[in-house]
Amino acid sequence: GAGVSQSPRYKVAKRGQDVALRCDPISGHVSLFWYQQALGQGPEFLTYFQNEAQLDKSGLPSDRFFAERPEGSVSTLKIQRTQQEDSAVYLCASTVGLQETQYFGPGTRLLVL
Amino acid sequence: EDKVVQSPLSLVVHEGDTVTLNCSYEVTNFRSLLWYKQEKKAPTFLFMLTSSGIEKKSGRLSSILDKKELFSILNITATQTGDSAIYLCAVERRTSGTYKYIFGTGTRLKVLA
Repeated sequence: GAGVSQSPRYKVAKRGQDVALRCDPISGHVSLFWYQQALGQGPEFLTYFQNEAQLDKSGLPSDRFFAERPEGSVSTLKIQRTQQEDSAVYLCASTVGLQETQYFGPGTRLLVL
Repeated sequence: EDKVVQSPLSLVVHEGDTVTLNCSYEVTNFRSLLWYKQEKKAPTFLFMLTSSGIEKKSGRLSSILDKKELFSILNITATQTGDSAIYLCAVERRTSGTYKYIFGTGTRLKVLA
């Protein structure tokens, strides 16, 4: 079946603009993760959903970051009042359940000017 | 604070060489260690290791975990140019019914023809 998809693939925003990044996990996958990957770094955990419940949001860097997964499938990561330091690749990953392999989407490359 | 450290940060070898990539970790509530290969955007899964001393093997790649010394290695024999990528190590930690993956910064491998 289809893998994890993310949109848009690239996003250029002016500083102060709000952005919304979408993740479509693999159908039936219970767990969904968001990561932020800066240039030359490994992915940094942002938040984790199990179905529609956001069980861990300890990695969100500020209250400008907000994620939701209202129906337990598609998830949206919203960044308000973007700053230049928000420029990164935002990766989404999903798993069938606990302690299963994560499948990553292609990421959204965000550039804040 | 939980951390995952990979070494070397980068490596350049010639086709046919054997390489060993290292991953050490200090993570509470360790559950598993995973290796990923990242070529363009999305990391792709290589191995999941949960038990010490049991080698996982897939073609020219193999990996082993030492839970006493808190490290893992990823070996690639007879390297090919297609092995050029960033290799990421991630450790799964489980707390209070939730779980997260902590990534290292990766090892950038370049295989020259």
